[in-house]
Amino acid sequence: EAGVAQSPRYKIIEKRQSVAFWCNPISGHATLYWYQQILGQGPKLLIQFQNNGVVDDSQLPKDRFSAERLKGVDSTLKIQPAKLEDSAVYLCASSLMTGYTYEQYFGPGTRLTVT
Amino acid sequence: QQQVKQSPQSLIVQKGGISIINCAYENTAFDYFPWYQQFPGKGPALLIAIRPDVSEKKEGRFTISFNKSAKQFSLHIMDSQPGDSATYFCAASFSDKLIFGTGTRLQVFP
Repeated sequence: EAGVAQSPRYKIIEKRQSVAFWCNPISGHATLYWYQQILGQGPKLLIQFQNNGVVDDSQLPKDRFSAERLKGVDSTLKIQPAKLEDSAVYLCASSLMTGYTYEQYFGPGTRLTVT
Repeated sequence: QQQVKQSPQSLIVQKGGISIINCAYENTAFDYFPWYQQFPGKGPALLIAIRPDVSEKKEGRFTISFNKSAKQFSLHIMDSQPGDSATYFCAASFSDKLIFGTGTRLQVFP
């Protein structure tokens, strides 16, 4: 079974530029998450999709961050314009909820450096 | 209270020793407590998880101890190996949302 795929793996941009990250979840997983992991911290949920609908985006800085999941499969996360404090690893995860199982499978992440 | 407090921040253990990482939570609505292992350059991977109706769960060398009344849970790694060197995150979940601890960097020396 293929895992969660993310690209690019690394990105360096200057502040005020825009950037986009792509995620392909595990086949059949209806729920997709985007997390931000700042160095030395645990992942923090940014947005959660169920199929192609948003379940929770309460932690997403909507003035600069946007995300979409067209057709309920792949997803993109965009930052425009980027700030220095956006430097972090952006993790995508997906899950297949069966009964009480909430196991989330994470991709390798995209390391973003904003200079 | 959505925080999950994790300690220690870092841990150095001799090969063959026991590694213990502790976590505490406030929100009694949490109903699922997983531990994730993360190697450099990789995403977190589920290691072991427990529900609050169980006080202990063991999988191989990894054991979760859960104290519902104290709202604390811990990960014990028996016979720690150099390959266990990684960052470990506890987490707590209600519905399907994970709240992560701040992580513990474990180093196991031969």
